[in-house]
Amino acid sequence: EAQVTQNPRYLITVTGKKLTVTCSQNMNHEYMSWYRQDPGLGLRQIYYSMNVEVTDKGDVPEGYKVSRKEKRNFPLILESPSPNQTSLYFCASSFYGNTEAFFGQGTRLTVV
Amino acid sequence: GQQLNQSPQSMFIQEGEDVSMNCTSSSIFNTWLWYKQDPGEGPVLLIALYKAGELTSNGRLTAQFGITRKDSFLNISASIPSDVGIYFCAGVNYGGSQGNLIFGKGTKLSVKP
Repeated sequence: EAQVTQNPRYLITVTGKKLTVTCSQNMNHEYMSWYRQDPGLGLRQIYYSMNVEVTDKGDVPEGYKVSRKEKRNFPLILESPSPNQTSLYFCASSFYGNTEAFFGQGTRLTVV
Repeated sequence: GQQLNQSPQSMFIQEGEDVSMNCTSSSIFNTWLWYKQDPGEGPVLLIALYKAGELTSNGRLTAQFGITRKDSFLNISASIPSDVGIYFCAGVNYGGSQGNLIFGKGTKLSVKP
């Protein structure tokens, strides 16, 4: 089954403790991206990757890092999480250009 | 950056009624997409539009790509309770420097049985 898989689905952590949210897709998509969703603000792009070893900032990249060492994986790294990064995070993938993106089920992160 | 204005923000309707929502932008887009998000889930693609003036249906859903390329609308006919959720429009401008999807802020739909 074609899918985008994120882990974990839920995470509660403390300020400053490094964490990684994994994202994997099995559709051989070139393009992957991360979004955060906050009430009243919709979906905002954090980072995207057009291909292996190619990443670029989206609209809200501060406090986040990503890597794209393999085509199928695109982890999101929070080196020093802060409470304002409490949010619902989505990974998405598409063949190219971010058209017809397929989304993962989301990771609800709480930073206390 | 580019922004999409999606309206209405929320709708409360009776089962069986038709629904209409739209997105507008000051920028031109090459592609318009409509997504639905169920509670606790990721957005799921409903309809993709690639040409100005294009009108596409998916069951009870119909969407159009505006002639000016700056707007799109989504209609849902004869709504049912499972239509509840948040609907997002998204636009892609391949000429943009980032090549990313721009999302509207969503229309939250509630359907009373």
